[in-house]
Amino acid sequence: RKEVEQDPGPFNVPEGATVAFNCTYSNSASQSFFWYRQDCRKEPKLLMSVYSSGNEDGRFTAQLNRASQYISLLIRDSKLSDSATYLCVVQTGANNLFFGTGTRLTVIP
Amino acid sequence: GAVVSQHPSRVICKSGTSVKIECRSLDFQATTMFWYRQFPKQSLMLMATSNEGSKATYEQGVEKDKFLINHASLTLSTLTVTSAHPEDSSFYICSGVAGGVSYNEQFFGPGTRLTVL
Repeated sequence: RKEVEQDPGPFNVPEGATVAFNCTYSNSASQSFFWYRQDCRKEPKLLMSVYSSGNEDGRFTAQLNRASQYISLLIRDSKLSDSATYLCVVQTGANNLFFGTGTRLTVIP
Repeated sequence: GAVVSQHPSRVICKSGTSVKIECRSLDFQATTMFWYRQFPKQSLMLMATSNEGSKATYEQGVEKDKFLINHASLTLSTLTVTSAHPEDSSFYICSGVAGGVSYNEQFFGPGTRLTVL
């Protein structure tokens, strides 16, 4: 079983729409959780960390459910510039990051 | 955020040759650097973890004699793909971490696209 599983998409949504991505992880001992954004042929960049209490950064909201080993990312009022691949990342052990395959989002004008 | 550079950004080589990729942390000291590989439409897969001044730790299935890693200073790690073959063609990305006790954000380099003919 993969450490991190994501729906690869693609998600094609109109501008202004709200879209949600989900991710599950297999190791209950995982310690930290993140969403990264990766543009085509570029390196991943940290979008936000994910906390049990949930956290929000502008149009982006991340949630963690440890009991269900489930992480989510909600994007409100989608912009064209949000088009990218969103990677769910789980840390297990010191500095060991496990990446999901990513969910591709395309925001359509 | 901190900056990590990689060189070259793109390389095309013949089968059987060796290719060296450099990863530099430009404005911080990276006690730990990671090397990842990403095949098309797949996730980043960790290849190895290198700590400055010590031998790299390789993930299962990664041949240490084929992928030579040297982390000689706090700002430079190199990955050498020896006797490259077409199946080694991939996107290689490094990342650096400052500190090493608990999780610190990994700063990724821009990646090196290797094509082996």
